[in-house]
Amino acid sequence: SQTIHQWPATLVQPVGSPLSLECTVEGTSNPNLYWYRQAAGRGLQLLFYSVGIGQISSEVPQNLSASRPQDRQFILSSKKLLLSDSGFYLCAWGGTGNSPLHFGNGTRLTVT
Amino acid sequence: EDQVTQSPEALRLQEGESSSLNCSYTVSGLRGLFWYRQDPGKGPEFLFTLYSAGEEKEKERLKATLTKKESFLHITAPKPEDSATYLCAVQARSSNTGKLIFGQGTTLQVKP
Repeated sequence: SQTIHQWPATLVQPVGSPLSLECTVEGTSNPNLYWYRQAAGRGLQLLFYSVGIGQISSEVPQNLSASRPQDRQFILSSKKLLLSDSGFYLCAWGGTGNSPLHFGNGTRLTVT
Repeated sequence: EDQVTQSPEALRLQEGESSSLNCSYTVSGLRGLFWYRQDPGKGPEFLFTLYSAGEEKEKERLKATLTKKESFLHITAPKPEDSATYLCAVQARSSNTGKLIFGQGTTLQVKP
């Protein structure tokens, strides 16, 4: 069966520091991968998606970037965090054909 | 622009008191409508996919229905463990990337 791992679960970082969040998927090959952000009391906003290694599409301009160095690895990064980067970051796989997305348990990021 | 609106934002029910959650959508051709359950601090958990008007899906006390403009999540005789945020999302037919557009969610609290 397929599983998705995200880490860390929580992170507190000062403004201006770098960021690296990692997501890995097991049990499937060549998945579509997604990074969403959920602000407090709000819906999920799509940040990036990837349909293959090295293929990254950005949905909204922002202070973040994404990379997919391996088939089942998706990384969210920033060189310098802003206060507005705080939120709940979710990685997901799936979306091929009519299939649903399956989410990891997220990373709660607080920028201080 | 593709859009999803959920109502109400919050709903409090007594145990056993049935009710419905609404998801209204506008999309340039619906490929699928998805319902998720999200517990605090966790990633969304997939519940149902609906593809065409008139379709219905059931799981325990939950029943999802779909029309051309909206979907309902009916909760029959809810229990306290049904308390969670319920998210609705659509996938547009024009999307070949599988990405989902989410509503803001309805937070359900069921009191014993």
